[in-house]
Parts: sequence; C-alpha cells; structure tokens
Amino acid sequence: GQQLNQSPQSMFIQEGEDVSMNCTSSSIFNTWLWYKQDPGEGPVLLIALYKAGELTSNGRLTAQFGITRKDSFLNISASIPSDVGIYFCAGRPGNQFYFGTGTSLTVIP
Amino acid sequence: GAVVSQHPSWVICKSGTSVKIECRSLDFQATTMFWYRQFPKQSLMLMATSNEGSKATYEQGVEKDKFLINHASLTLSTLTVTSAHPEDSSFYICSATLRTGNEQFFGPGTRLTVL
Repeated sequence: GQQLNQSPQSMFIQEGEDVSMNCTSSSIFNTWLWYKQDPGEGPVLLIALYKAGELTSNGRLTAQFGITRKDSFLNISASIPSDVGIYFCAGRPGNQFYFGTGTSLTVIP
Repeated sequence: GAVVSQHPSWVICKSGTSVKIECRSLDFQATTMFWYRQFPKQSLMLMATSNEGSKATYEQGVEKDKFLINHASLTLSTLTVTSAHPEDSSFYICSATLRTGNEQFFGPGTRLTVL
C-alpha cells in the first residue's frame, strides 16, 4: 500500500539532545499516529492526533497535526538511551491506515 | 486497555509445513484486524485486512491461498502460512482497531523462521 514520506531516515544524537522528525503525505489525513518499535517487538502507540493544528504531549514527546493536514511532527526533548528505536508515523485519509518508512533513532550516552 | 497478544512469539519450522499464528484482542472487541509483514530495518507491509465474520481483504501481491486468514470472533484472528518456504521467513505483526477505528494497536509480533 501507500507509504508516507518520513524523515530523517536515521538519526544519531547525544544523550540530552532534542530530536525532531516529520511525516508528509500527498493527501489530506484526518488522523495522525506516532508509534515506537523496539527490536523484535510490535509498534507501541505513543501519540494520536485528530484535528489540524492539534499539539499533544506524552511526557517528553510532543506531536503536532499539521495545519495543512498533510503533515505531522514528533519532537523528543532531552533524549535518553531508552529512546533508541524506530519511530513510525501513520495516518488515515479515510478508513485505511498508511505507514511511514520509519526513523531509526540512536542515542549515544 | 487495548492490549493485543500474538502467539507464538517465535516459531521455527521445516519447509513445506504450515504455521498458524494467532492474534487476540485481550480487553476489547476488534471488528477489524490487520496483518503485517516486516523485513529487517523496513517499514510495515500490510498483507491483509480482516473483518469479523467476513472474508479478508488482501493487498495486491499477497497470495490469499498461501496466507489464510480467519477472523472467527471479535477477539481472535488467525494467519496460517501454508506450505511455508524459507522466503516466508519474516516478522509477522497483527493489529486491531477499536470500534471507533481511529487507532491501531499492535501485537508483539511473531518471528517465523523456515528452514
């Protein structure tokens, strides 16, 4: 199926730094979701967004539903080693879900 | 809430055998479940959408006779990989949506290795 454009593909950062990643689509979405996947496990839902402009936080994570409804951003503040993993965005223009290609995050202690 | 389990978590089988993977929604009823396949360091590839009581909808390129999906109840969907071959080795993940359908909740995945 269709995939969203997610960037960056990978990130290597120092512990304590902030992280930003984003997803864009060619069509308007009515839902944006952000997941984290640890190696050998299924994705875990981090944040769900339902309205354009919505800004939602979950601890050190903050995600925003873009005003154009074609993009979303995820920020992680003050990264720690356990933030390591692959982050996926997902969105729905209708009933079907589409997934981003993933951002691999490595945090260097 | 919204917990999805998968069983088994890993399986090794001989080429030519069939393997069944179960996906259960533990604390909610899931009218729709999804089956994904994931290769190392890649994104999730949707294989099929499973609706309770009806035939699954397969994505283009996914052989429905090879990957049999049964969604017999609102809390259980099964994926059977028939006559498995080494190229079927992969990480298979299921997910389920609540009745609102706004979010997908994923199982922990099943690692299949076909010798």
